[in-house]
Amino acid sequence: NAGVTQTPKFRVLKTGQSMTLLCAQDMNHEYMYWYRQDPGMGLRLIHYSVGEGTTAKGEVPDGYNVSRLKKQNFLLGLESAAPSQTSVYFCASSTPGTARGYYGYTFGSGTRLTVV
Amino acid sequence: QQQVKQSPQSLIVQKGGISIINCAYENTAFDYFPWYQQFPGKGPALLIAIRPDVSEKKEGRFTISFNKSAKQFSLHIMDSQPGDSATYFCAASMGSGYSTLTFGKGTMLLVSP
Repeated sequence: NAGVTQTPKFRVLKTGQSMTLLCAQDMNHEYMYWYRQDPGMGLRLIHYSVGEGTTAKGEVPDGYNVSRLKKQNFLLGLESAAPSQTSVYFCASSTPGTARGYYGYTFGSGTRLTVV
Repeated sequence: QQQVKQSPQSLIVQKGGISIINCAYENTAFDYFPWYQQFPGKGPALLIAIRPDVSEKKEGRFTISFNKSAKQFSLHIMDSQPGDSATYFCAASMGSGYSTLTFGKGTMLLVSP
């Protein structure tokens, strides 16, 4: 099925460990995003990419790095995990908006990360 | 600074009733206002969206009402059903060209049978 695939779905890390979350989309979307979702905080943008080889910081980028080496993949890295990074992480992709056309984000099903 | 304020945080509605969720924004450059629906264990999915050149958009039982002067928009769910129980997020962006979506904090809706 077409869409956004996130791996892994669940992960438990110890404080200080590193890991990479993988996001893959097969819709040929230009833009990709990483959000984190925490209770009562909604969805907050971590990093995003407007094309292959480009990345930019979002609202809460500290402690995370990203790479977009291929158009279909967007990786989110945690170099030294902290308990504050316990969250559900969502990847999304989209096409550019136009003056008259609506566009929507397609989200993956999320990665639940616990840092102990 | 929160650019999109959403209320209420949670809402319980009886089956057949009307669910109303409100959002207010601050950035007058926003011109695209979508609503997303999220079921437990799933990612959010686009439900309905509106541009500020219209005051209302209806799709089935879901309606967005938009008040540009008040910088407010709301989602109305008519004849609410238990299957509508989910978390709803409003969002805003500058819709043309490139702009990221700024989300509200979400409303957890429970429709009781």
